[in-house]
Amino acid sequence: GESVGLHLPTLSVQEGDNSIINCAYSNSASDYFIWYKQESGKGPQFIIDIRSNMDKRQGQRVTVLLNKTVKHLSLQIAATQPGDSAVYFCAEKGGYNFNKFYFGSGTKLNVKP
Amino acid sequence: GAGVSQSPSNKVTEKGKDVELRCDPISGHTALYWYRQSLGQGLEFLIYFQGNSAPDKSGLPSDRFSAERTGGSVSTLTIQRTQQEDSAVYLCASSFDGGRANEQFFGPGTRLTVL
Repeated sequence: GESVGLHLPTLSVQEGDNSIINCAYSNSASDYFIWYKQESGKGPQFIIDIRSNMDKRQGQRVTVLLNKTVKHLSLQIAATQPGDSAVYFCAEKGGYNFNKFYFGSGTKLNVKP
Repeated sequence: GAGVSQSPSNKVTEKGKDVELRCDPISGHTALYWYRQSLGQGLEFLIYFQGNSAPDKSGLPSDRFSAERTGGSVSTLTIQRTQQEDSAVYLCASSFDGGRANEQFFGPGTRLTVL
């Protein structure tokens, strides 16, 4: 079956530092990936997405990198702020059932002031 | 409303009872998803509706779970004869269509506790 997993369940960073959250996926046919941020008590919120024909995509303070060779996805947050504290999920879509998104278990980001 | 809404926000029920969870998607969104999120876990796909097409029910964990979407808008997820392992947050999401690359907008979820 398809699986998306995260390397680290918890990441603590100092305010102002850069954060890197990693994600591995198993289905080489997946062609669309999204990073979500979920704050306590809320539903996931879209951060940034990337298609498989790209290696890198940048947003405001965030960058997503996709390495299809090793099926690895990462989210980089520049100048991390206390408001960035949340659980971050990667999700993949595509393969044999393009209706479904498959989510990883999440990484909790703690930003220390 | 401006976003996806879900009700109730919290539901506590006794084992064996039936529950109904409601989702109001964003107006005009044709695709609707239900997910289940257990504590500290990722999102588990349950069911997907797209327009008038037959729903993709492949994620429903058992025949105690069912969902419907009336008039292409509001959706109800029903869990019959609830079990303690059904305790989780149930999230609903909608998107403009269900194509390969469309952002899903999530509701705040319904936290279900089965005693």
